[in-house]
Amino acid sequence: KNQVEQSPQSLIILEGKNCTLQCNYTVSPFSNLRWYKQDTGRGPVSLTIMTFSENTKSNGRYTATLDADTKQSSLHITASQLSDSASYICVLGGYSTLTFGKGTMLLVSP
Amino acid sequence: NAGVTQTPKFRVLKTGQSMTLLCAQDMNHEYMYWYRQDPGMGLRLIHYSVGEGTTAKGEVPDGYNVSRLKKQNFLLGLESAAPSQTSVYFCASSYSMRGARNQPQHFGDGTRLSIL
Repeated sequence: KNQVEQSPQSLIILEGKNCTLQCNYTVSPFSNLRWYKQDTGRGPVSLTIMTFSENTKSNGRYTATLDADTKQSSLHITASQLSDSASYICVLGGYSTLTFGKGTMLLVSP
Repeated sequence: NAGVTQTPKFRVLKTGQSMTLLCAQDMNHEYMYWYRQDPGMGLRLIHYSVGEGTTAKGEVPDGYNVSRLKKQNFLLGLESAAPSQTSVYFCASSYSMRGARNQPQHFGDGTRLSIL
């Protein structure tokens, strides 16, 4: 069964600090790996999309990495801001399917 | 840019009642989807559509029906609501098939539905 496991489940960091969120997957084959940000009470918003041949992709202070050999991805957030408080969801995209992780809840504290 | 708009935003139903959730997108996307999001679980696909007049079942289709009479609209119906259908429902649209062509899905802000 295709699975996407995210860790940690939740995380609290101080404003201005960096953090890294992890995503392990067993989906195979897949077309791309996505990271979404979901603010409380809102729908998910796409941050990055990487193909299996890409190692890293950035979107402002967000940098996603992918290691297809170990089936791991990470999302690194630099110089966190209060507005980064949200759930971050890892998604594996097959040709006709998407497999969603349960998300990591990040709280950035002043 | 409105993007994906869902109505209503909140609704409380009694068991056995019926209702329709409306999703509208203004991006001329071919593909549209309905998901449900429950605490402690990832988004799960209910039904999807690959174009006007087409619909297909997703991962958890039981108890729901859908229609796509116009390209920009995708309706989700609950014929006889059950407490197990209490959830947050998200509509999404995309240019290409769900996982292919590296195109993101664009989500609405959800409908929070409680079934008593």
